[in-house]
Amino acid sequence: AAGVIQSPRHLIKEKRETATLKCYPIPRHDTVYWYQQGPGQDPQFLISFYEKMQSDKGSIPDRFSAQQFSDYHSELNMSSLELGDSALYFCASSLAEAGHEKLFFGSGTQLSVL
Amino acid sequence: KQEVTQIPAALSVPEGENLVLNCSFTDSAIYNLQWFRQDPGKGLTSLLLIQSSQREQTSGRLNASLDKSSGRSTLYIAASQPGDSATYLCAVRDGGAQKLVFGQGTRLTINP
Repeated sequence: AAGVIQSPRHLIKEKRETATLKCYPIPRHDTVYWYQQGPGQDPQFLISFYEKMQSDKGSIPDRFSAQQFSDYHSELNMSSLELGDSALYFCASSLAEAGHEKLFFGSGTQLSVL
Repeated sequence: KQEVTQIPAALSVPEGENLVLNCSFTDSAIYNLQWFRQDPGKGLTSLLLIQSSQREQTSGRLNASLDKSSGRSTLYIAASQPGDSATYLCAVRDGGAQKLVFGQGTRLTINP
């Protein structure tokens, strides 16, 4: 079965640089979520999209932006990177249909800011 | 603000034992609760999803219960195996929201 695909798997950037993370949800899933997980920490919600519209927003810095495209893939854009942005970034997808809201996570993008 | 707590933070048991992981949440107005498994450096795998109207869900050797009024959920693992070693995370979704609020997880080690 198809899973959530994230790219790249690993990314190394310098401070003040820009990064773009990509997420391809499971086919027919209409909701995409982005989470940030620091070392030894639980995942923190950043932002979500339902049918290409932002549906919920968490602790996402103003330096970050995200969008969902017409083919339902999503991109997280991160600018003016800081050392503290180093983390594992997960994308997840689900169906909004009641009773089918189980989240399926991708393998994540490990971002290292040097 | 919803807060999720998991106890214990770490657990080490011999193979074959039955065990219980605990999760508590502060706001009982949840929409659903999920249990996830995470292996080191890997993504999260959803194990069980319990709707707010349900009391428990079962999948193989796993059973999750939900007591919404007391703000508690438990994950029961029967006949534990070394392959069950991982971090187990509990997450709740509040009514009217889409985000999940995670607990800090229980790091489980099953010793052969």
